[in-house]
Amino acid sequence: EDQVTQSPEALRLQEGESSSLNCSYTVSGLRGLFWYRQDPGKGPEFLFTLYSAGEEKEKERLKATLTKKESFLHITAPKPEDSATYLCAVQAFGGFKTIFGAGTRLFVKA
Amino acid sequence: DVKVTQSSRYLVKRTGEKVFLECVQDMDHENMFWYRQDPGLGLRLIYFSYDVKMKEKGDIPEGYSVSREKKERFSLILESASTNQTSMYLCASSQEQDREQYFGPGTRLTVT
Repeated sequence: EDQVTQSPEALRLQEGESSSLNCSYTVSGLRGLFWYRQDPGKGPEFLFTLYSAGEEKEKERLKATLTKKESFLHITAPKPEDSATYLCAVQAFGGFKTIFGAGTRLFVKA
Repeated sequence: DVKVTQSSRYLVKRTGEKVFLECVQDMDHENMFWYRQDPGLGLRLIYFSYDVKMKEKGDIPEGYSVSREKKERFSLILESASTNQTSMYLCASSQEQDREQYFGPGTRLTVT
């Protein structure tokens, strides 16, 4: 069964304190792995797509990486405005479903 | 920019009522989705549509139906609302099935 597990459930950082969020996945043939950001009371906002192991994508203070079993979202020198829930999702070949993880809630304190 | 709009941000309905949630996208996307989001469970797919009048069941279709009469509009229908359908409902669209999805702001539905 395709599955996505995100850790930790919640992460509290001081402003400027770099860290990483983990997304472990089990899927029968990865077609794509997606990262989204979700602010309270809003819909998820697309950040990155990764397709193959070794691939990396960057956007401002965020960098996403992919291996055959997991993905990391690295946050460098975070600011309070980076506080949000970060969702990881995967798609397998041969299907139309995107499987979402439960998310990591990030709190960045000034 | 892709824009996905949902008809209501907040909705309160009584048990047994028929509920309609509307979603409209303005980017001519082929694919549209309805999810519900509950704490600790992530997003779960209710229904998916890949073309006008075409639909596929997701993981939790029981108690729901959908309608897609026009490409830009995808409706979710709760035939007889129950308290366990209290949730955040999110609509999304995508250009291709394997591409990123664009989400609406969500409808927080409370069934009493």
